[in-house]
Amino acid sequence: GEDVEQSLFLSVREGDSSVINCTYTDSSSTYLYWYKQEPGAGLQLLTYIFSNMDMKQDQRLTVLLNKKDKHLSLRIADTQTGDSAIYFCAEGGNYQLIWGAGTKLIIKP
Amino acid sequence: NAGVMQNPRHLVRRRGQEARLRCSPMKGHSHVYWYRQLPEEGLKFMVYLQKENIIDESGMPKERFSAEFPKEGPSILRIQQVVRGDSAAYFCASSPPLDNEQFFGPGTRLTVL
Repeated sequence: GEDVEQSLFLSVREGDSSVINCTYTDSSSTYLYWYKQEPGAGLQLLTYIFSNMDMKQDQRLTVLLNKKDKHLSLRIADTQTGDSAIYFCAEGGNYQLIWGAGTKLIIKP
Repeated sequence: NAGVMQNPRHLVRRRGQEARLRCSPMKGHSHVYWYRQLPEEGLKFMVYLQKENIIDESGMPKERFSAEFPKEGPSILRIQQVVRGDSAAYFCASSPPLDNEQFFGPGTRLTVL
């Protein structure tokens, strides 16, 4: 069946770039999403990319999509303590998204 | 404009009891979605509702689980005769008509003893 895989943890130093990776299996997905979940809060849509795009940049966030390898990444430049959260990758074409298990981003001082 | 509200935030039930989870969508949103998240897993779609209608319940277990979104009041996810395997975080999301972007609530963490 369809599946989305992410590493469970990523640790980076404050000020460095964070790169969170995701692989998926459904090549027919129209959209790929990144959501952020802070402790005790709901999931917040960070950014999304259409499947016909390779890259999308939004301030400190850069999303790269490699359709051939079914690989999606989220790069956060100049990582700050406020970026500590769990980041979820999701794919889909309508309301039924397939979700990864989330990557917990840990910021070291 | 308040975000999506869910209550309670934490719910503890003993096996065999009923759990009722509530979700109030954002103002102007008529579409509600429920998801379940087991520990160290991604969210799994359960059900999609519009006011007074179940649009898609393909992710709902066939027994013990039901959902409604009445004309007035919050959406309710009801789990009868809970078992330990029902312990999870249950997230609700809402969206306005004609827009796929879903706005999520903080979730209800259900623990079954």
